[in-house]
Amino acid sequence: DVKVTQSSRYLVKRTGEKVFLECVQDMDHENMFWYRQDPGLGLRLIYFSYDVKMKEKGDIPEGYSVSREKKERFSLILESASTNQTSMYLCASSSTPVTNYGYTFGSGTRLTVV
Amino acid sequence: EDQVTQSPEALRLQEGESSSLNCSYTVSGLRGLFWYRQDPGKGPEFLFTLYSAGEEKEKERLKATLTKKESFLHITAPKPEDSATYLCAVHSFSGGYNKLIFGAGTRLAVHP
Repeated sequence: DVKVTQSSRYLVKRTGEKVFLECVQDMDHENMFWYRQDPGLGLRLIYFSYDVKMKEKGDIPEGYSVSREKKERFSLILESASTNQTSMYLCASSSTPVTNYGYTFGSGTRLTVV
Repeated sequence: EDQVTQSPEALRLQEGESSSLNCSYTVSGLRGLFWYRQDPGKGPEFLFTLYSAGEEKEKERLKATLTKKESFLHITAPKPEDSATYLCAVHSFSGGYNKLIFGAGTRLAVHP
């Protein structure tokens, strides 16, 4: 089974802190994605990557950056955390841009910024 | 603009009471519609993919159907363990890249 592992289930950070969310997949997938999920808004795409060292902005990239130095790892960085970035963050991966199964998701990181 | 709308936002059923969840979409050139199940505090888990109008897929008490404008997730004789949020997503190619566009989900609660 494809496994997508997010390093933290819950995080509490202070306003202005630099925050790193880590995601690792173990199935040699080329494509990785970061979403945030908020009540009533669904999942919104922040950034994605189709290859190592490659990154593309999604629909809501402001306030975020990403890093993909290795194929299996995709990190989301909040440069200066703000309270409006309190959310559930979901990492996903796939072997092609969209497979017959859509994406495989991690369990999520619930981030609270105080 | 590509869009996915799910209704209702929340649904409460008694065990054994069948019902349907709706996913209506607007997308230029549907390349696939996906249903996921999400349990509290967890990531979405894949249920079904539908590609063309008239297609149906079944899994246990769930059946997904697709028309040119919407998809339904029918739940027959639900059990409490079916309680979850059900997400719908469409595969879109826009802005020069492939992506899944998600609806906000339907929170289903099945009571004994």
